[in-house]
Amino acid sequence: KQEVTQIPAALSVPEGENLVLNCSFTDSAIYNLQWFRQDPGKGLTSLLLIQSSQREQTSGRLNASLDKSSGRSTLYIAASQPGDSATYLCAVNSSWGKLQFGAGTQVVVTP
Amino acid sequence: GAVVSQHPSWVICKSGTSVKIECRSLDFQATTMFWYRQFPKQSLMLMATSNEGSKATYEQGVEKDKFLINHASLTLSTLTVTSAHPEDSSFYICSAWTLWGVAEGHFGDGTRLSIL
Repeated sequence: KQEVTQIPAALSVPEGENLVLNCSFTDSAIYNLQWFRQDPGKGLTSLLLIQSSQREQTSGRLNASLDKSSGRSTLYIAASQPGDSATYLCAVNSSWGKLQFGAGTQVVVTP
Repeated sequence: GAVVSQHPSWVICKSGTSVKIECRSLDFQATTMFWYRQFPKQSLMLMATSNEGSKATYEQGVEKDKFLINHASLTLSTLTVTSAHPEDSSFYICSAWTLWGVAEGHFGDGTRLSIL
């Protein structure tokens, strides 16, 4: 059974610092991995989707890497802003469409 | 881009009431829809998978007679929480998928259900 772990559970940084969020998974047989953002009481906003054949994806200040063999993905957020404060979830798709979510990393960026 | 509409976004009702949540794919045909549940301070857990025209498949520990799922068309799936109790209070969110194109989940905005 696929298990997804996110470290750290919470992170607080001053504005301008880079954020590094980690996600690990136990079964490397995946279709893709997706990073989401969730604001309190809200739904999910998809940030980046990395296919199993890809090593990384970039969008603006966000960069996500994938090392399928070691079961790891890292989300980098450059030059953090207070608006980046949210919970970040990684989700592994290893059984078409059935996403296995990590518990999330709660990020607070202080002005 | 693909849009999934989920309604209602928030509902409060008395214990014993049945509540229906709708999930619609607005600009694509969703051959499969997934329903997730998120309790406070926890991550999302898959409840069930529904394929258009077929009976839903439920994850272990999810009562199929309590959480009725209907996926009668390629654009609409509904989740009905029957005889809801306070322990059913949660955030419910759907994800719509299509067989065509990139395998990517498009999520609704979720429904916050509070049972008094």
